[in-house]
Amino acid sequence: EVKLLESGGGLVQPGGSLRLSCAASGFTFSTYAMSWVRQAPGKGLEWVSGISGSGGNTYYADSVKGRFTISRDNSKNTLYLQMDSLRAEDTAVYSCAKTPWYSDAFHIWGQGTMVTVSS
Amino acid sequence: DIQMTQSPSTLSASVGDRVTITCRASQSISSWLAWYQQEPGKAPKLLIYKASTLESVVPSRFSGSGSGTEFTLTISSLQPEDFATYYCQQYITYPYTFGQGTKLEIK
Repeated sequence: EVKLLESGGGLVQPGGSLRLSCAASGFTFSTYAMSWVRQAPGKGLEWVSGISGSGGNTYYADSVKGRFTISRDNSKNTLYLQMDSLRAEDTAVYSCAKTPWYSDAFHIWGQGTMVTVSS
Repeated sequence: DIQMTQSPSTLSASVGDRVTITCRASQSISSWLAWYQQEPGKAPKLLIYKASTLESVVPSRFSGSGSGTEFTLTISSLQPEDFATYYCQQYITYPYTFGQGTKLEIK
């Protein structure tokens, strides 16, 4: 069974840093592009960042460019999101998502980890 | 960035109704559009990709159409489990973008 399990969320002060992890299982992790998607409380979905299967290509939303860094360790089947210079508007549930072989849409999602940026 | 605009934002309907949600892109995205369903507190579920291809195990009452800049999601006969929020998403180019969502409510 394909599974994605996020961890690393929590409460952080504005300007602080946090590193999220997404542990993948049930598929050949290195073969698939992965993304992070967030959802602020009561709001819609926002794509945050994506990375190719090899890790050689990374992509970011304008709202996080220069502050967040996506990476992956294919030997550990784990996706990461390093979040620096956090702002109150970064408060959201962060979920990792996987694309299938037949599309670049997201067919598998984790349950998410909550990040709260507040003093 | 490509902007995705859904309408309506909220839709009230009854079990058995046929409903349509529209999604417009700020520039052509060919058919690189997906539709998701999200229930409260749950992860989104992929319903349709490439504008009109039904994901496996998704009921056939869901259908998608369109290309270029205008797309629709149709539910032919609403079931109780269909009352949720629906999002469109373009994946022709990064940054990927979602519509703001359409909440489907029970009338």
